[in-house]
Amino acid sequence: EIVLTQSPGTLSLSPGERATLSCRASESVTKNYLGWFQQKPGQAPRLLIYDASHRATGIPDRFSGSGSGTDFTLTISRLEPEDFAVYYCQQCALSPITFGPGTKVDI
Amino acid sequence: EVQLVESGGGLVQPGGSLRLSCAASGFTFSTYWMSWVRQAPGKGLEWVANINQDGSEKNYVDTMKGRFTISRDIAKNSVSLQISSLRAEDTAVYYCAGGSGWLTEDWGQGTLVTVSS
Repeated sequence: EIVLTQSPGTLSLSPGERATLSCRASESVTKNYLGWFQQKPGQAPRLLIYDASHRATGIPDRFSGSGSGTDFTLTISRLEPEDFAVYYCQQCALSPITFGPGTKVDI
Repeated sequence: EVQLVESGGGLVQPGGSLRLSCAASGFTFSTYWMSWVRQAPGKGLEWVANINQDGSEKNYVDTMKGRFTISRDIAKNSVSLQISSLRAEDTAVYYCAGGSGWLTEDWGQGTLVTVSS
């Protein structure tokens, strides 16, 4: 099983600031099958990034993903008020599919 | 527009069984892998199982093999999750999700399962 570790656990920032979230895998994620999801309270997760660096349909370009192998990063270039949420990474290269524990971005 | 609508959640006694269903619309159901993902109250996301386009391949997280069974009905555009021998720790929101591969691109709003006496 690929274990995903996310850091930091909580990121306290202000609107307009840059957010950098990390996801580290216990082994290499084949073909960079790594996704990032945003979840707000009471809502289902929403796909932001797939295959490590591709934005999903309708996702603003302030969200970007990078990385390969075992180290991945989600960057939010300038935080908007609606971006304060929990962010999860997910690997879908190997069964079982696994999620990281999440990073909470709050004010 | 992709729509996934879960149903079947509710209050169940420990040891009981439950069948969750997910109705899909707005896309070609037969092209999607479908998954179930759960989230215990205040906790993170936990993938449960997935099933391929024609139902011939199923994957489960090891800790849930035996008690959880995923299935799909292509004619009815639906996917189900049968859960038996329910325990308190199965209490969670259960999400139906799908995508062209294993990635869970689209999600339903979830159905809450509460296991309690």
